[in-house]
Amino acid sequence: QKEVEQNSGPLSVPEGAIASLNCTYSDRVSQSFFWYRQYSGKSPELIMSIYSNGDKEDGRFTAQLNKASQYVSLLIRDSQPSDSATYLCAVKRKTSYDKVIFGPGTSLSVIP
Amino acid sequence: EAGVVQSPRYKIIEKKQPVAFWCNPISGHNTLYWYLQNLGQGPELLIRYENEEAVDDSQLPKDRFSAERLKGVDSTLKIQPAELGDSAVYLCASSPRTSGGSYNEQFFGPGTRLTVL
Repeated sequence: QKEVEQNSGPLSVPEGAIASLNCTYSDRVSQSFFWYRQYSGKSPELIMSIYSNGDKEDGRFTAQLNKASQYVSLLIRDSQPSDSATYLCAVKRKTSYDKVIFGPGTSLSVIP
Repeated sequence: EAGVVQSPRYKIIEKKQPVAFWCNPISGHNTLYWYLQNLGQGPELLIRYENEEAVDDSQLPKDRFSAERLKGVDSTLKIQPAELGDSAVYLCASSPRTSGGSYNEQFFGPGTRLTVL
C-alpha cells in the first residue's frame, strides 16, 4: 500500500460545477495535510493546508479532513477552466524527520 | 520577494556524464529540499536540509548522487555518473521555520528538466 494515494484521473467537470478530489493516507500519526496545484510544465504551488478534523474554506476551495478514516479531500466550487491542473495531496508524518510524502496527483480538466 | 531560483532550467547529457544542479532558496528559509519528479507522479524527496545539516537523505542514491549546502544558503545536487533512468525534473523547494520549530508550506523553484541520452 502506498503511503498517499489519489485517483490519477483525469477528472473532467463542466465549468461552474463542483470538482471533488480525494486522497487517502496510510500512516495514522500523520499530522499535517496539504493540497498543491501543478500546472503542466510548472512547479507545485500550495493552495490549501489543513491540520484538524473538519472543513477549512478558502474562497472557492474547501479542504476536508477525517483522521479516523485517514481521508482528506479538496472541493473546488464554481470550477473554472483555469483550475485545470494536477492536484497533489501531501501528508506530513510525525517522525524524527517530519517527512512530507506527496501523492501521485489527480489531473483535473474543467470543460468550458 | 524573490522566489526559489534554480539553474539550469534544462540539461541534456549523455549517460555516464556528470551533471550538477544549483538552487538558491528564498531568503531566510532554513529548510531546503531536493525532489525528483517523474512524469505523472508526485515529487519524491531526495534530501532535506535544515541549515547546513542534511536531516533526511534516506532516499538519496548515495552511490551516484551527492548534495551539499555550504553556509546554509544555496545548494548543489550532483549526479555522477548519470544513467538513463535519471531523466526527470529535479525540483528544489524551501520552507520557513514555523513558530513551533517545524515547517509547513513548501515553495518550489521552477525545476531542472534533465534528459540523459
